[in-house]
Amino acid sequence: EAGVVQSPRYKIIEKKQPVAFWCNPISGHNTLYWYRQNLGQGPELLIRYENEEAVDDSQLPKDRFSAERLKGVDSTLKIQPAELGDSAVYLCASSWTSGAYNEQFFGPGTRLTVL
Amino acid sequence: TQLLEQSPQFLSIQEGENLTVYCNSSSVFSSLQWYRQEPGEGPVLLVTVVTGGEVKKLKRLTFQFGDARKDSSLHITAAQPGDTGLYLCAGENLPDSNYQLIWGAGTKLIIKP
Repeated sequence: EAGVVQSPRYKIIEKKQPVAFWCNPISGHNTLYWYRQNLGQGPELLIRYENEEAVDDSQLPKDRFSAERLKGVDSTLKIQPAELGDSAVYLCASSWTSGAYNEQFFGPGTRLTVL
Repeated sequence: TQLLEQSPQFLSIQEGENLTVYCNSSSVFSSLQWYRQEPGEGPVLLVTVVTGGEVKKLKRLTFQFGDARKDSSLHITAAQPGDTGLYLCAGENLPDSNYQLIWGAGTKLIIKP
């Protein structure tokens, strides 16, 4: 079974440029998460989708970040314009929240460097 | 606000030694998960504990959930270089948590050959 797929793996951009990350979750998983992780820290939730609906976007900086999951499968996270402080690893995870526990499966992440 | 504190933040030991890392909170969790993250990869789920006092073993790794379901520990016996990574704990408290995990900041573990 294929795991969570993310692309690109690495991205280097200059500040004020736009950037987009793509995620394809595990087949059949209804819930998709975008996290940001700084070096040596735990993941911080940016947004959570259940199917097509964003059910928790309270931590998403909406002035520059946007996300979509149009058909309830794959998802895109965008930053426009990027700032130096956005440098981090952006992780996508998926889960089946009808299961007993919220066990999440992560992709390898996209390492973003903003110069 | 529910918080999970992990200790130590960083641990570097020699191959063959034993170690324990901790995940503590003042809040009760209905379940708690441990993940390991290797450099350049996403976290990988190791175990979920759900019952107070529960002990689960995964080869040389022993996970325990506190009796009051507020804390957990991970003990590694005879550590090997392959155990190197960032160990993260994450808890949830259904139904209040609305399926959101509360994450610790992690323990960075280095096992030297």
